[in-house]
Amino acid sequence: GAVVSQHPSRVICKSGTSVKIECRSLDFQATTMFWYRQFPKKSLMLMATSNEGSKATYEQGVEKDKFLINHASLTLSTLTVTSAHPEDSSFYICSAEATGKGTDTQYFGPGTRLTVL
Amino acid sequence: AQKITQTQPGMFVQEKEAVTLDCTYDTSDPSYGLFWYKQPSSGEMIFLIYQGSYDQQNATEGRYSLNFQKARKSANLVISASQLGDSAMYFCAMRERTGANNLFFGTGTRLTVIP
Repeated sequence: GAVVSQHPSRVICKSGTSVKIECRSLDFQATTMFWYRQFPKKSLMLMATSNEGSKATYEQGVEKDKFLINHASLTLSTLTVTSAHPEDSSFYICSAEATGKGTDTQYFGPGTRLTVL
Repeated sequence: AQKITQTQPGMFVQEKEAVTLDCTYDTSDPSYGLFWYKQPSSGEMIFLIYQGSYDQQNATEGRYSLNFQKARKSANLVISASQLGDSAMYFCAMRERTGANNLFFGTGTRLTVIP
């Protein structure tokens, strides 16, 4: 199956700092990547859709200036949480869409657990 | 309205037995895809199985099979011969062909396999 990596897996930072999370598709190209947020014992909430070479599409209620997304290549998308605050603490998980075979299956990275002190 | 509904917050199954995890969906799109993912305590989402709305046969992948009943809009996951390693959260998801191409997730079912 397709492999998606995410880095870092865990980060602890002070309030007010910015944190960058990388999502890479290792063995396939992904024109579209997705960023999700998951609260404890809850389902995944889509934050934004990242398209290579164009601006990300944000879901309603997600601040685009706070959650900066860059999809610079067909294998890399980054999410930067700017001026992080304790309420931004969460599990962030990305997925990449592997096209072809008619399934358009999304493969997920292992996630990043962000803790803001 | 919820696009994906999973009514079982938690399920228990004896090791080596089969278990069915329920999923119903709601869409007016004639073309869609249904997915099941497994999320162990480590957090990663592991793709298990896919069913296309036009697929004539139920999808199967090893011990996983999808009981697709289109008229009832249900896509239940069946895990046969449960193993201790199957204990995890299981999410049903749907992608509609028209409009946004993101996945809609259900609330998940926590499966516990009892030795």
